[in-house]
Amino acid sequence: GAVVSQHPSRVICKSGTSVKIECRSLDFQATTMFWYRQFPKQSLMLMATSNEGSKATYEQGVEKDKFLINHASLTLSTLTVTSAHPEDSSFYICSARDRDRYGSNEKLLFGSGTQLSVL
Amino acid sequence: AQSVTQLDSQVPVFEEAPVELRCNYSSSVSVYLFWYVQYPNQGLQLLLKYLSGSTLVKGINGFEAEFNKSQTSFHLRKPSVHISDTAEYFCAVKNTGFQKLVFGTGTRLLVSP
Repeated sequence: GAVVSQHPSRVICKSGTSVKIECRSLDFQATTMFWYRQFPKQSLMLMATSNEGSKATYEQGVEKDKFLINHASLTLSTLTVTSAHPEDSSFYICSARDRDRYGSNEKLLFGSGTQLSVL
Repeated sequence: AQSVTQLDSQVPVFEEAPVELRCNYSSSVSVYLFWYVQYPNQGLQLLLKYLSGSTLVKGINGFEAEFNKSQTSFHLRKPSVHISDTAEYFCAVKNTGFQKLVFGTGTRLLVSP
């Protein structure tokens, strides 16, 4: 069935390095993918919306040069945290919208998340 | 803009007892409403959604929610909870015309034996 595969599930890196997180839609094509950030015991905050083949739209306060999003195909979107610092440590979750289901039939699936720890 | 309020940050309950998780929203336009469950270190799983029609919506794992337009609420209920229902529950709202989901702050359901 249709699922969203997100990798890695956990990553630990040194301060100053870059980390790439992948989000793949399996058994469906996703024209739109969303990237969220979740702090402990808090809600999901939308970081950006990416549409296949175009630049991502970032939410207010999110640094686009810090969080690079690429959505090069209908099944893959990546989030790269550049020059990561301890304050970037967080749980990152992607979600993907099925291209063939829209309006009231819309289907939005979530990845299992990536726990990023920057030392 | 839409917003979601989940007043209870944590709800402790005994196994087999009923539970209600509260959700209120605000919006000036028509919305879709959702409840998601999140288990530790995992993504979100859709429990149920209200799009239109019957105000009582049934979801997976025995959960149901009722849309109340006059009270702008969408409370989640289960008549008898299990230990395995222990998780974080998020209410979310989406403008019918836009893509963005707005989440509440979540309610942690703690089921004890």
